[in-house]
Amino acid sequence: SQQGEEDPQALSIQEGENATMNCSYKTSINNLQWYRQNSGRGLVHLILIRSNEREKHSGRLRVTLDTSKKSSSLLITASRAADTASYFCATPPRGPYGGSQGNLIFGKGTKLSVKP
Amino acid sequence: DTGVSQDPRHKITKRGQNVTFRCDPISEHNRLYWYRQTLGQGPEFLTYFQNEAQLEKSRLLSDRFSAERPKGSFSTLEIQRTEQGDSAMYLCASSLIRLASNEQFFGPGTRLTVL
Repeated sequence: SQQGEEDPQALSIQEGENATMNCSYKTSINNLQWYRQNSGRGLVHLILIRSNEREKHSGRLRVTLDTSKKSSSLLITASRAADTASYFCATPPRGPYGGSQGNLIFGKGTKLSVKP
Repeated sequence: DTGVSQDPRHKITKRGQNVTFRCDPISEHNRLYWYRQTLGQGPEFLTYFQNEAQLEKSRLLSDRFSAERPKGSFSTLEIQRTEQGDSAMYLCASSLIRLASNEQFFGPGTRLTVL
């Protein structure tokens, strides 16, 4: 079953604009990860944010995490045509002893289209 | 290229046939995962190994599916008596155990079409 729900399902913007994608999840987590998938490079890890962090930056990416609302957002600033891809949030569920379980549970993804 | 390779990249088979996929993870990674992805959906977890031990299997993994990682390096996923509903992209990923982190590196996938 899918854990996360990304919102919106699809997003179309012009190059140079910012893109914001949201993700909600259901269970307790130790961390939340964002992945990008396009036909050329497959599924690639972008950024990981731990449950005790509220915000994290990596280049043009900014991720926030609100564990009280079980939600996260991914902001891509100054988007480029090469950012066109599907973006997924993924969480390793927390096991019975507090550690992360091995598998990742993915959402359905946001399909981002950046027009030149 | 993440360093995880999968073979074949595409497989077309007839319903009822058996198929086997191979995954070669990043060499020092001790965890190896299999996922399935259908169009418009995110990857769904099937099973994972830590070294040669299969630690977890999803309920999605019916008795027609079997996975092995005999020497703790490469892994194979076999589907017996394929059905049209098995048509999907099969993704392999690997990772190195770290505390409170589970970044996974994915291969390019094997696209299975069952006619």
